[in-house]
Amino acid sequence: DADVTQTPRNRITKTGKRIMLECSQTKGHDRMYWYRQDPGLGLRLIYYSFDVKDINKGEISDGYSVSRQAQAKFSLSLESAIPNQTALYFCATSDFGVQFFGPGTRLTVL
Amino acid sequence: TQLLEQSPQFLSIQEGENLTVYCNSSSVFSSLQWYRQEPGEGPVLLVTVVTGGEVKKLKRLTFQFGDARKDSSLHITAAQPGDTGLYLCAGQYSGAGSYQLTFGKGTKLSVIP
Repeated sequence: DADVTQTPRNRITKTGKRIMLECSQTKGHDRMYWYRQDPGLGLRLIYYSFDVKDINKGEISDGYSVSRQAQAKFSLSLESAIPNQTALYFCATSDFGVQFFGPGTRLTVL
Repeated sequence: TQLLEQSPQFLSIQEGENLTVYCNSSSVFSSLQWYRQEPGEGPVLLVTVVTGGEVKKLKRLTFQFGDARKDSSLHITAAQPGDTGLYLCAGQYSGAGSYQLTFGKGTKLSVIP
């Protein structure tokens, strides 16, 4: 079984809809991250959490929010999706600097 | 903001050729990591380099960290189609935001049989 799972794997939605992407991990790590990946732009950090009570904005947090429901769960929400949020989204966990990524969620906003 | 520049952005070579990918920064990193990402999957760690001048080998892949810990290279010997993928370097720096990684934009490698 995968250590870091993401649901859904693919999602198509319309402008203005609220979307939640979920991430679960079985690695027992305290640190969790959300990134988006766009062609030619690499991976950019949206939010990160060092434990359940610690949430921090990353490089591109505008238009996104997160919730750390438990050590193992970290969800990303788009309150009102817009087309330029179309991207590949990755969740990751880390232990001593090494990051372990989930398989990604491909989100398309029409 | 720490920036990592990777070059080249795209690389298409024939099976059996050698290649080198570069990762450069204006900042000193406490460590630098290389990841490989295949289509439909998340990045997977290949190696971490920590000490200036360090060289690590992983089968046909050789990783080097610059003496000043501002640059790194990945050399692949006798490339094979299975090496095809996106190679990402990522730097970790000390201080505020420790344990965050700054990623380069990646080098997309295609190895043609």
